[in-house]
Amino acid sequence: EPEVTQTPSHQVTQMGQEVILRCVPISNHLYFYWYRQILGQKVEFLVSFYNNEISEKSEIFDDQFSVERPDGSNFTLKIRSTKLEDSAMYFCASSHGGRTSYGYTFGSGTRLTVV
Amino acid sequence: SQQGEEDPQALSIQEGENATMNCSYKTSINNLQWYRQNSGRGLVHLILIRSNEREKHSGRLRVTLDTSKKSSSLLITASRAADTASYFCASQGGSEKLVFGKGTKLTVNP
Repeated sequence: EPEVTQTPSHQVTQMGQEVILRCVPISNHLYFYWYRQILGQKVEFLVSFYNNEISEKSEIFDDQFSVERPDGSNFTLKIRSTKLEDSAMYFCASSHGGRTSYGYTFGSGTRLTVV
Repeated sequence: SQQGEEDPQALSIQEGENATMNCSYKTSINNLQWYRQNSGRGLVHLILIRSNEREKHSGRLRVTLDTSKKSSSLLITASRAADTASYFCASQGGSEKLVFGKGTKLTVNP
């Protein structure tokens, strides 16, 4: 069964450093997403991406965050200057369709620890 | 804004018993989805029910949706130890984003 692949599985970074989280969505999916889950809290939407541009973003997704699809397969989330509160599990997801009818396929996540 | 909230927060049952988890949301939805998460792992899509559907089945899973009460339930029949996980509902309305609840942590004891 097709999978969404995320790397690395765990990243530790110093506060203020830039991090790039990588994802390979399912090849024939058209919509891509990033969500995060702070330990013990809800899974929160960050951003959706379709047709090479951001289609929706949450209040969390401020100027410190950016997403990119640099080639036909990778989808990345960059945090420019990490803060302690960015420590969380970050999930990439992809979907065949946007608003209706299709469940999402999530990756296994990247655990980001900011120290 | 939409908000999925599950109850109970934690549920412990014996193998073979049924497990029922409930979810409420606040605004109109296009669909509601249930996901499973094993400890420290990713989210696995279980089932999606559209706003015009009332009940849906998938194997041992049964999902109901009551849009008048803005609630949904997930029933797992004949539970197994391998069903031990956290279960989340996620509502999707007029936008692409999913709004997740806090989840129900299910423990199935052998």
